[in-house]
Amino acid sequence: KQEVTQIPAALSVPEGENLVLNCSFTDSAIYNLQWFRQDPGKGLTSLLLIQSSQREQTSGRLNASLDKSSGRSTLYIAASQPGDSATYLCAVRRSNSGYALNFGKGTSLLVTP
Amino acid sequence: DAGVIQSPRHEVTEMGQEVTLRCKPISGHNSLFWYRQTMMRGLELLIYFNNNVPIDDSGMPEDRFSAKMPNASFSTLKIQPSEPRDSAVYFCASSPGVVETQYFGPGTRLLVL
Repeated sequence: KQEVTQIPAALSVPEGENLVLNCSFTDSAIYNLQWFRQDPGKGLTSLLLIQSSQREQTSGRLNASLDKSSGRSTLYIAASQPGDSATYLCAVRRSNSGYALNFGKGTSLLVTP
Repeated sequence: DAGVIQSPRHEVTEMGQEVTLRCKPISGHNSLFWYRQTMMRGLELLIYFNNNVPIDDSGMPEDRFSAKMPNASFSTLKIQPSEPRDSAVYFCASSPGVVETQYFGPGTRLLVL
């Protein structure tokens, strides 16, 4: 069974800092990996999707990397802002059942002014 | 498009009562997913529909849970009878294709007393 772990569970940083969120998974046979953002009381918003053949994806201040062989992904947020405060979830799609996403429990990020 | 619509947003009920959660997916999406989110277990896939047909319901916790998708624009998740351990946030998500990005609704926060 695919296990997805996110460390740290919570993180507080001052505005302007660059930061890295970590995601690890136990089964390297993945189809793709997604990073989501969840704001309190709201649903999930997809931030970045990395296919298994890719090493990284970038969107604005966000950069996600994937090392499938070691079972790791990182989400890099540059020049953090208070509006980045949210919970960030990593989800892995297994290659043998393409629809199923296995989610980590998330990293709760607080960016203080 | 309005995105994925869920109703109600909040539901408080007493143990033993029937609960029905509703979802309207994004028009044109052929895949629909129901998830449950708790602090202990994180986000778990309950059931997946493709073209209105249930493909995988292995995540449905027990016979008290049932889901239907009578047409491409409507799905329900029913719990009968409800129990306190069913308290969670239930999300509906849809996607244009089975391995494409999933778009989440705002969720229904269920509390069973």
